[in-house]
Parts: sequence; structure tokens; C-alpha cells
Amino acid sequence: NAGVTQTPKFRVLKTGQSMTLLCAQDMNHEYMYWYRQDPGMGLRLIHYSVGEGTTAKGEVPDGYNVSRLKKQNFLLGLESAAPSQTSVYFCASGGTDTSSYNSPLHFGNGTRLTVT
Amino acid sequence: AQSVTQLGSHVSVSEGALVLLRCNYSSSVPPYLFWYVQYPNQGLQLLLKYTSAATLVKGINGFEAEFKKSETSFHLTKPSAHMSDAAEYFCAVTKGGFQKLVFGTGTRLLVSP
Repeated sequence: NAGVTQTPKFRVLKTGQSMTLLCAQDMNHEYMYWYRQDPGMGLRLIHYSVGEGTTAKGEVPDGYNVSRLKKQNFLLGLESAAPSQTSVYFCASGGTDTSSYNSPLHFGNGTRLTVT
Repeated sequence: AQSVTQLGSHVSVSEGALVLLRCNYSSSVPPYLFWYVQYPNQGLQLLLKYTSAATLVKGINGFEAEFKKSETSFHLTKPSAHMSDAAEYFCAVTKGGFQKLVFGTGTRLLVSP
């Protein structure tokens, strides 16, 4: 059972380049999330999805787009990377129904992105 | 809106000493509270969660936390620190329903021999 898998693990981009981060989960979870982690700031929610075909903005959505075409996958896109997007990105999933507010989130191991 | 405050970005203890990591929450409704742990180069793992069933919550690896409504606190403790406890710890809160968690800024626990 793989849990939550993120690819790639590391990436270096130049300003203005684009890329897509892939998150895949095999636990049949409805909810999926993208967070960024920066020193001293904890985890901040970028975008999330409450089910296949749905997405919503989180706390820091600017500069990012997402898609959830399949239930098990949640993609995070950077159309034009900026140095401020240098961060560690985590995908998480959890919950199989609307009463899942006390279910734990399962996290991937992160993608370390550097934008120069 | 709900939020959590973690006091102390770094906490240092000796092996065998008591571990106390502080978390205070603010929430307009009864909250659901969580502690997660992050080991180097890994994602977060759930340590324990409070969902109003009991005020003292026991988690994995000997950790526990007590919900104190009067103090709006949910501090994490462990009686005796082990070297393997060195990690970053995050407190998180959700007000229920859809589980959109709000995380604290984290506390890095350093354990010395």
C-alpha cells in the first residue's frame, strides 16, 4: 500500500518556467490538498479538492492551478514560476465521506522546489 | 476563524527528560485538535487527535495531550524523551465538518544525550 506518492522529489526551475507536481493516493480518499511549507510559517493550504472534478482555493492560491480529473490524482501546476515559490510542497489526502472531519490526513514525502 | 499558536519554535531537552510542547487554539466553535510529527525529509504523520470524546488523549510513541477548554490549550507531553523523538511537531485545528486543517508554525524538538 503506497499511501500518498508525490513526484518529482526535487526540482530546480528558472524564473518563468512552468511545471506540474503530481500527487497520487491509493486509499480511495475524497479529499486532497496541496500545502507549501516554509521556514517559520508552518504549512499553508494552496488548493484543495473535495472530490473528483472539484477544486477550491486555499489560503495562498495565487500563482498556482490544480486539477482533479481522477479521484486518485491531484495535480498542482505552476504556470510561470517565481523565486517566491521556492518551497517544499506537500500533498495530503483524507476522508471518505462528509463525516470525516476527525480522520487523519495522510501526507506524501514532499517535493522540494527551487526557483532561481 | 480558527487558529493555533505554538509557543517556542525550538525546544531542547535531554534524553530521559520531560517533553512539553505548547499549543493554544482559538476557535469560534468546539474544535477538533491534532498533533502531527515530521521527521527529516518526510511528510507529516498523525501523533494524536482530540475529538471531544476524552480530554486526555494518548497517541503513538508515548505522547499524550490534554484538552483544557478553560485555557484554550492542547499541550503535547511525553514523560521521558528519546533520541528518536527529535523532529518537528505541528499542532492543527479544524472546526469540524469539512476537514480543512489550520496548522501552527511548528516546534522543533532537539534531544541531547
